[in-house]
Amino acid sequence: EAGVAQSPRYKIIEKRQSVAFWCNPISGHATLYWYQQILGQGPKLLIQFQNNGVVDDSQLPKDRFSAERLKGVDSTLKIQPAKLEDSAVYLCASSLVSGDSDTFGSGTRLTVV
Amino acid sequence: QKEVEQNSGPLSVPEGAIASLNCTYSDRGSQSFFWYRQYSGKSPELIMSIYSNGDKEDGRFTAQLNKASQYVSLLIRDSQPSDSATYLCATSEGGFKTIFGAGTRLFVKA
Repeated sequence: EAGVAQSPRYKIIEKRQSVAFWCNPISGHATLYWYQQILGQGPKLLIQFQNNGVVDDSQLPKDRFSAERLKGVDSTLKIQPAKLEDSAVYLCASSLVSGDSDTFGSGTRLTVV
Repeated sequence: QKEVEQNSGPLSVPEGAIASLNCTYSDRGSQSFFWYRQYSGKSPELIMSIYSNGDKEDGRFTAQLNKASQYVSLLIRDSQPSDSATYLCATSEGGFKTIFGAGTRLFVKA
């Protein structure tokens, strides 16, 4: 089966600019996650979708981050405006059902300068 | 604040030895427990999942869970240089709020 697709792989932006990431989960996976992984740390859950509804976004900085999952399939994560501390790898993952193990995409490495 | 704690390492073991990785968690409501392996510059990949107390074996890997002590471990037998990576422990409560530890770096010396 095809894996979780993410794009772009790398992005360099200046602070205060905006950026968007795209994710296409494994076909049939109802649950989709966005994680932020800062160098040397474990992934931190930003938002969890069940189909096209938000299950948990308690750690999403809502003043600058937004995410949507239209039609319960693809998802986009946006940062506007970006800050230096947003430099990290943004990982998208999906699972068949909530509570199952996550399958991760290759991630997007964001550098904010 | 729910937390998953791991020793950051690095843990260095000789080839062929047993590597023992440990993890403690704070949320007593955690029901699912996972070990992921992450190579440098790559995404995490699932190694083991465990849901009930006791041991679970899969090839060279054994996961151990003790809910009373809030403790999860991963044993890697016959360690190989290709096992050198960061190992992430993660817990989940009822399918929500997956929490990852910071990971333990493992080096297997040839």
